[in-house]
Amino acid sequence: EVQLVQSGAEVKKPGDSLKISCQGSGYIFNSYYIAWVRQMPGKGLEWMGIIYPGDSDAIYNPSFQGQVTISAGKSISTAYLQWSSLKASDTAIYYCARAELLTSGSYFFDYWGQGALVTVSS
Amino acid sequence: DIQMTQSPSTLSASVGDRVTITCRASQSISTWLAWYQQKPGKAPKLLIYKASSLESGVPSRFGGSGSGTEFTLTISSLQPDDFATYYCQQYNTYFVTFGGGTKVEIK
Repeated sequence: EVQLVQSGAEVKKPGDSLKISCQGSGYIFNSYYIAWVRQMPGKGLEWMGIIYPGDSDAIYNPSFQGQVTISAGKSISTAYLQWSSLKASDTAIYYCARAELLTSGSYFFDYWGQGALVTVSS
Repeated sequence: DIQMTQSPSTLSASVGDRVTITCRASQSISTWLAWYQQKPGKAPKLLIYKASSLESGVPSRFGGSGSGTEFTLTISSLQPDDFATYYCQQYNTYFVTFGGGTKVEIK
């Protein structure tokens, strides 16, 4: 059974750093992409970026470029999303999702993690 | 980037109703469109991909159609488990984008 299990909820202060994780199981982790998707309180879904764990090549949504870093530890089937300096506006639920590169050069998401709530407040 | 516009944003319906949600793309995306269902406090769940292909395990009352810039998600007979928010997503380019969502509420 394919599963993506994310790290737990976090409460941080503005300026703090944070790294959240997403561990895959039940499939060959290095053969699929992992994307990160943000959902701000009461809002819709925003694609942040995507990584191919096989070579750690990451592509970012320009809106998030430079604001976050996406990485992967392929030997432990885990992808990461990190911030060096959080802002209150980073308060959101962050989902990881599995994707397979298609002939369109793009992807949809067939499995999702359970989400990680990040709260940034002074 | 490609903008995705869903309508309506909220829909009130009764069990047994036929429900249709529309998603429009700002430019042609062929049939590179997926639909997701999200319930409160839960992750989105893939329902349909390539505009009309039903994901394994999804009930056959869900159907998708369209190509180019206009797409629809139809629930043929709304069930209690279907009250949720639905999102479309284009994957014509690597920069994927989602629609704003349609909340299906109990009438």
